[in-house]
Amino acid sequence: AQTVTQSQPEMSVQEAETVTLSCTYDTSESDYYLFWYKQPPSRQMILVIRQEAYKQQNATENRFSVNFQKAAKSFSLKISDSQLGDAAMYFCAYRSDQGGSEKLVFGKGMKLTVNP
Amino acid sequence: KAGVTQTPRYLIKTRGQQVTLSCSPISGHRSVSWYQQTPGQGLQFLFEYFSETQRNKGNFPGRFSGRQFSNSRSEMNVSTLELGDSALYLCASSLDRDRGKQYFGPGTRLTVT
Repeated sequence: AQTVTQSQPEMSVQEAETVTLSCTYDTSESDYYLFWYKQPPSRQMILVIRQEAYKQQNATENRFSVNFQKAAKSFSLKISDSQLGDAAMYFCAYRSDQGGSEKLVFGKGMKLTVNP
Repeated sequence: KAGVTQTPRYLIKTRGQQVTLSCSPISGHRSVSWYQQTPGQGLQFLFEYFSETQRNKGNFPGRFSGRQFSNSRSEMNVSTLELGDSALYLCASSLDRDRGKQYFGPGTRLTVT
C-alpha cells in the first residue's frame, strides 16, 4: 500500500519570503500522480499543483513550484513571495495510475502560518 | 459552473442513530469520492463511485455505505453511529481520467454525542 509522509506538522514564514514544504512517499508503482492540496480555514480543499510521475520536468503554477525527486520518492512544494492568503493546511497526496480509481492517499498535513 | 455541494453542512446525532449525507458533484463529473477527516487520522478514503457503481472502497466497517444516482449525485450513510464517527466528511468529484484532478466540497461536519 502507498503511504505519504509529511514530517513537519507546522511551519511559519514571513510575508513575501519563500518557504518549502516537504513530503515523502512510498510506492512500488512507476506510474502515479502527486498533488499538493490547500485547505484554508474555511475548509474547502483546493488543488494547488499536480505532478505526473512520468514527467521529469517539475510542475509550476505561478508562485508555486515543486521539486520532484522520483528516485528519492520526495515531493516538496516551494511557495515564493508568500502572501497572507497562503496561510492554510497543506496536504501532499498520491494517486495511483493503475486500476482506474481516483482514490487519493493523503499525508497528515502541515499547517502554514504567514506572518505580516 | 457551480462547485461541489454537500448537505447538510452541520449535523449533530446521538450514538446508535444513523445518518445520510449528500453530495452533488460538478455538472458533468461522473466520479464521486468520499473522505473522512479527523484530527487524529487525517484524511482517509471511504469510497468512490463512478456511473452508479462503487469503483473503490477504503478500510472502513460495513456501517459506512454509499450509493450514486443516475445524475451522479451521491449519498453516504453511516448506521449505528459511534463517538469516533465524529468528523468532517468531504466529497470530491472529478471528470473520469482527468489525471487525478479532484474538486472538493465544503464538507459536512458530523458530531456524534
